Order: sequence, then C-alpha cells, then structure tokens
Amino acid sequence: GQNIDQPTEMTATEGAIVQINCTYQTSGFNGLFWYQQHAGEAPTFLSYNVLDGLEEKGRFSSFLSRSKGYSYLLLKELQMKDSASYLCAVRGEYGGSQGNLIFGKGTKLSVKP
Amino acid sequence: DTEVTQTPKHLVMGMTNKKSLKCEQHMGHRAMYWYKQKAKKPPELMFVYSYEKLSINESVPSRFSPECPNSSLLNLHLHALQPEDSALYLCASSQADRGSSYEQYFGPGTRLTVT
Repeated sequence: GQNIDQPTEMTATEGAIVQINCTYQTSGFNGLFWYQQHAGEAPTFLSYNVLDGLEEKGRFSSFLSRSKGYSYLLLKELQMKDSASYLCAVRGEYGGSQGNLIFGKGTKLSVKP
Repeated sequence: DTEVTQTPKHLVMGMTNKKSLKCEQHMGHRAMYWYKQKAKKPPELMFVYSYEKLSINESVPSRFSPECPNSSLLNLHLHALQPEDSALYLCASSQADRGSSYEQYFGPGTRLTVT
C-alpha cells in the first residue's frame, strides 16, 4: 500500500527555524518532492531529492534517507509569508516514464510574529 | 515560460450539464496530469497522459473523460456530475524522459461547483 505521513499542523515564530518531517511507505520510489501550497492556490515546487542527503536552496533545505523512508523540509529565517501548507509527495513507479505523485496530507504551518 | 494555464478559473454547473476544463502548457513537457483537490486535503491523482497517450487512470468514474489533443493541451470533459464532485481541479505538467526530475508544474486550478 501507499502511505505518506507528515504532521497535520505546526506553529513557529518569525525568524526561527522549523523542520517538517515526512515518512513514507510506497510501492516504488523514484524521488521525493516538497511543495508549498497557500490557501486557494496551486502547489508550487520547493525541492526534489532522489539520492540520500541534503539539498539546499536558499532558505529551504530538504533531506532524504531512502533506507529509513524519511525526509524533512527545513525552513530557515521564517517569514510571515511562509505560512502555508507543505506537501510531501513521493513519485511512485507505474512502469512508465511519467512522474505520478502520491501526496501526503500536508502540514499546515502557521508563522507567528 | 514556466506557466501552466487553466480555464475557466471558476465553473458552476448543474448535474445534467456538459462542460469542459482546459489546460495548456508550452514548456515542451510530454507528461500532463489531472488532479482533484477537496478542501483541506492533498491533491489526488486522476489521470496521467504521457506522450499524448493515457497511461494512468486512477479508477476515475466515467463521468470524467480526459482528452489530450496535442502535446500542449489537456482537456477534462465533464458530464452528469454529482455535488460531491465539487472541488479544485488542478492540471500539471512535467518532463517525461527517464532520468529527468519529473518536477511537476501546476496550473492555478479550476474551482468547480456542481449544483
């Protein structure tokens, strides 16, 4: 079966650092994505990991451990505009070359002043 | 151009109507997707087209009928929908070549209300 777990909600303070965890059990693994989604808007791509380790992109970093089925998204120097839902998604494998994504339920992050 | 466009932005339709949602991208992506997203839920994959051929249908009811007329366009034809089909319908596209990142670019969505 397919299962992706992440916390439902998190709260953090402006200027702080927050880590959003994601664990997954999927049939097939071809990469893990993090997306940001503001209420009423489409998801926007944040990061992609297919090999173990840390990928850094400005204030955002993402880590992957394939052996543990675990990833996290690290947000530094939090800003009010970072208040959004953060979706962890795993690309499964249907035997073709398309990138079907299985999304977790999302973590709603609230950044307080 | 990294934009995926969707029309219309909002759609209200009755249960006996026939309507279509449209999606367009000009990034040269050969994989295109339809997702359904209910409020406070993650997107759920409905269909995947790869090189203009339907490759995944996630057991979607036949009242939803996808069509990919060319590599830039993706349609979703709607007929005899139910009120529970009201949701945000998202289109996305990505590269389809093996070894690419398959990063999906999402359109802004069509907010559908079935009355």
